[in-house]
Amino acid sequence: QQQVKQSPQSLIVQKGGISIINCAYENTAFDYFPWYQQFPGKGPALLIAIRPDVSEKKEGRFTISFNKSAKQFSLHIMDSQPGDSATYFCAASIGASKIIFGSGTRLSIRP
Amino acid sequence: EPEVTQTPSHQVTQMGQEVILRCVPISNHLYFYWYRQILGQKVEFLVSFYNNEISEKSEIFDDQFSVERPDGSNFTLKIRSTKLEDSAMYFCASRFRDRGAEAFFGQGTRLTVV
Repeated sequence: QQQVKQSPQSLIVQKGGISIINCAYENTAFDYFPWYQQFPGKGPALLIAIRPDVSEKKEGRFTISFNKSAKQFSLHIMDSQPGDSATYFCAASIGASKIIFGSGTRLSIRP
Repeated sequence: EPEVTQTPSHQVTQMGQEVILRCVPISNHLYFYWYRQILGQKVEFLVSFYNNEISEKSEIFDDQFSVERPDGSNFTLKIRSTKLEDSAMYFCASRFRDRGAEAFFGQGTRLTVV
């Protein structure tokens, strides 16, 4: 019940396309859903986050869509660029408790 | 911009030796965490720390692990007797408050046990 399931494991998108990564959770007590971007050899960097009382949050080219009833949330990267090539992790937490990470999606943007 | 800093960036140690990984969280943050990531795998929670005590720990965080906040700024992870399987990236994180606050991660320490 503490898991966050993420798909796909890897994704290849053409430059300018839309990258979509999906996550699902079971625990309805989660109240914070961040997405982290990680480049090789670096720590996870917070990209964008959403709370369950909001259905969508947009920051630049990055949008989180949140479906509370389905217990799913997704990251959309519009106009994907080669610099977006990285591993993306969805995550969830309750209050200040541990952040539970999804398994990660390795995104490659083809020029 | 404030950031979480970790030292060293890379540590090589012999099996059975003790290691201490150091972190300086963001100054006004109250909640502190250690995570690890074995190469190519997911980020795994180890321990959370608040008000000078452990608030939660995972199954990974056995008696060989300990954490300390010795001087109000540093936050350390000690592994008493390292094993080969402890080889991983270790990340420190901190957040300002509870409910929904962003957690910021350091750049990590790559621990290699030989």
